[in-house]
Amino acid sequence: EAAVTQSPRNKVTVTGGNVTLSCRQTNSHNYMYWYRQDTGHGLRLIHYSYGAGNLQIGDVPDGYKATRTTQEDFFLLLELASPSQTSLYFCASSVPGQGNTGQLYFGEGSKLTVL
Amino acid sequence: GDSVIQMQGQVTLSENDFLFINCTYSTTGYPTLFWYVQYSGEGPQLLLQVTTANNKGSSRGFEATYDKGTTSFHLQKTSVQEIDSAVYYCAMRGGGYKVVFGSGTRLLVSP
Repeated sequence: EAAVTQSPRNKVTVTGGNVTLSCRQTNSHNYMYWYRQDTGHGLRLIHYSYGAGNLQIGDVPDGYKATRTTQEDFFLLLELASPSQTSLYFCASSVPGQGNTGQLYFGEGSKLTVL
Repeated sequence: GDSVIQMQGQVTLSENDFLFINCTYSTTGYPTLFWYVQYSGEGPQLLLQVTTANNKGSSRGFEATYDKGTTSFHLQKTSVQEIDSAVYYCAMRGGGYKVVFGSGTRLLVSP
């Protein structure tokens, strides 16, 4: 069973604040993803990566940076947080390969509130 | 770009009712289609997946079918139970490893 751990689980900041959400997966999966989850919008892809040093742009990247420092670690950075970024953030990982269709393994989520 | 549309925001059923949730997709690649389930307080988890090689998938009493002609895929269960109450997401991986999700369907099952 893949393990994806997110921290912090809850974070409150003020408008203009600086926030880093962390994600670690312990199964050497190649791909990692950051999604935000909002009522009425479901899960929307912010950024994803296929390995250390790589970054791919998702569908809602504005206001977010991301960095993949190692195979295991993927960070989401909000340098000037705004109330519109109040959301539940999920990290996920997956592994490609012959016969593998890329199932995502999700963490438990990080709830961010921007006041 | 790749997209998935899931129109049913909430479905309310009684135990032993029939469940049907529909999604449509758009991609220029060869899609792999997924259904994820999310229970309260948890992250989403894979329920089942359907590839273009086989038009069906099944798991835990749920069945998914896919129709290339109408670019739609469906989740169904003959007899839902209260424990099936959750949010169900359809998702698609197109030609690469980008995975996009629908907006989710909240299923409420009353005993």
